[in-house]
Amino acid sequence: GQNIDQPTEMTATEGAIVQINCTYQTSGFNGLFWYQQHAGEAPTFLSYNVLDGLEEKGRFSSFLSRSKGYSYLLLKELQMKDSASYLCAVRPSTDSWGKLQFGAGTQVVVTP
Amino acid sequence: AAGVIQSPRHLIKEKRETATLKCYPIPRHDTVYWYQQGPGQDPQFLISFYEKMQSDKGSIPDRFSAQQFSDYHSELNMSSLELGDSALYFCASSELGLAGEETQYFGPGTRLLVL
Repeated sequence: GQNIDQPTEMTATEGAIVQINCTYQTSGFNGLFWYQQHAGEAPTFLSYNVLDGLEEKGRFSSFLSRSKGYSYLLLKELQMKDSASYLCAVRPSTDSWGKLQFGAGTQVVVTP
Repeated sequence: AAGVIQSPRHLIKEKRETATLKCYPIPRHDTVYWYQQGPGQDPQFLISFYEKMQSDKGSIPDRFSAQQFSDYHSELNMSSLELGDSALYFCASSELGLAGEETQYFGPGTRLLVL
């Protein structure tokens, strides 16, 4: 089967750093995505990794290790508006396009 | 920048009724995906279209059908609605990037409530 696991909830203080881990076991792999989703709203694209290593985009960074089936999303200088659910999604395909398989999401709570 | 447009944003139906959800992709995007997200759950893939042809099918009930039109907009038709169909329905559109990779951009969703 397809498994994508991430913690259910994490709490951190404004200005701090939080790392959200994601492990996956899928029948195929062609990219891992991180999306941010506020309650009742659309998932917003944050980052994409297909090769091993770190991708940095402002306050957000994402890391991938394909051999370990592991990724993390690093949120730096946390702001109150970062309180949201963060979804890890894998494209379980041999093609560079196709449906995404989502994890259950990690609810990040930022406290003052 | 233009985003994915979905209509209606909210829809209330009764059991056994039908519903049609519409999706207008980002201009020049040729691929559309439909996902269903139940309360407190992750999005589940339903169906996708590329260049007006169905490209993949997921856990979509036989009561549902969808198509992509010549202007690339897509419609999800849902018949014999059941209480369990109450969910957020997202449409995502995409195009291939310079390196051949694809990123999906999600619309605001249609919240369907079946009473």
